[in-house]
Amino acid sequence: DTEVTQTPKHLVMGMTNKKSLKCEQHMGHRAMYWYKQKAKKPPELMFVYSYEKLSINESVPSRFSPECPNSSLLNLHLHALQPEDSALYLCASSQGFRALTGVGQPQHFGDGTRLSIL
Amino acid sequence: EDKVVQSPLSLVVHEGDTVTLNCSYEVTNFRSLLWYKQEKKAPTFLFMLTSSGIEKKSGRLSSILDKKELFSILNITATQTGDSAIYLCAGANSKLTFGKGITLSVRP
Repeated sequence: DTEVTQTPKHLVMGMTNKKSLKCEQHMGHRAMYWYKQKAKKPPELMFVYSYEKLSINESVPSRFSPECPNSSLLNLHLHALQPEDSALYLCASSQGFRALTGVGQPQHFGDGTRLSIL
Repeated sequence: EDKVVQSPLSLVVHEGDTVTLNCSYEVTNFRSLLWYKQEKKAPTFLFMLTSSGIEKKSGRLSSILDKKELFSILNITATQTGDSAIYLCAGANSKLTFGKGITLSVRP
């Protein structure tokens, strides 16, 4: 088990559904991340939140909408997804993140949500 | 565009062998190099390297960074079947750029 908790572990949804993925950490980390990972590929960064503000959006389609209600929680709201969006969605957190100075901090990952779009 | 290349892409060894996993990088405003181990679920953090020539060790695993030649290696000695996994390396600036990973299979 990791210190970053993601729910649900598995999700199957239709293309017209609206659902949310949740991520929680209690390590006092101030940076949180969403990644998408396809089979046999490395994780691809989607979003970075630093101190509850969106710092990086890697040109992700608007059908993915992140939200950071507080420093411990990160959500990813899903609407009108496509079959190619089926993947493992990983959340990660790190102690801090400085977009300008680019300080690399070790990120700790959750176990992910395996998403299947029918 | 930032790039991280790992080699070999896959490796099969027997228990007790020593393996060396390679990672080269071209990352603008480079800050650190990270190694992760991924089994079925989450990537698990192994090492973060920021300075050249300083070896980091954790049990049978060790890693070193060469910032002049832009590469890092991860060594695993006395391999065990539990070391079977995908090993990811990532270069960090304002974000992580991952390599494709090295699939290590350790046979009994």
